[in-house]
Amino acid sequence: EVQLVQSGAEVKKPGESLKISCKGSGYSFTSYWIGWVRQMPGKGLEWMGIIYPGDSDTRYSPSFQGQVTISADKSISTAYLQWSSLKASDTAMYYCARGFGDGYNFDYWGQGTLVTVSS
Amino acid sequence: QSALTQPASVSGSPGQSITISCTGTSSDVGSYNLVSWYQQHPGKAPKLMIYEVSKRPSGVSNRFSGSKSGNTASLTISGLQAEDEADYYCCSYAGSSVVFGGGTKLTVL
Repeated sequence: EVQLVQSGAEVKKPGESLKISCKGSGYSFTSYWIGWVRQMPGKGLEWMGIIYPGDSDTRYSPSFQGQVTISADKSISTAYLQWSSLKASDTAMYYCARGFGDGYNFDYWGQGTLVTVSS
Repeated sequence: QSALTQPASVSGSPGQSITISCTGTSSDVGSYNLVSWYQQHPGKAPKLMIYEVSKRPSGVSNRFSGSKSGNTASLTISGLQAEDEADYYCCSYAGSSVVFGGGTKLTVL
């Protein structure tokens, strides 16, 4: 069974750093893309970017380029989304998802990680 | 990159058919057959319902269908059921990136 299990909810202060994770199982982790999607409270979905763990090829939405870092450790089948300096506007639910084909269609999703940034 | 345009809400009665539109531009929907649709129930992760304009993943009911004409894609749900009540998001490849629609809330009356 394909599963993506994300790390737990986080509460952080503005300016702090954060790295959340997404562990894949039940499939060949290096053969599919992993994407990240943001959903701010009460709002819609926003595509952040994708990574191909097989060769670490990474693509970012222009809206998120430079704001976050997407990475993966294929040895432990885990992808990451990282911030170096959080802002209150980063408060959102973050989903990871498995991308197939060229990586732009997401067939399996993680349960989401709620990130709250507040002073 | 601007979000794709979807109606904020649509509604229908059980058994009826509804269509949700998704309007983009010649830089996204109009240029690529890479439109997908996701269903999201409250508090849940999204679920892929349609990909590459009209393909259904395994396990998705054939009551869901997709199409595209020019810069506008559409999701049609036939034989509406109570469980179809959810938010629906369209999504399109836009040249090395992806853009989502703002979402449509479907109410089953």
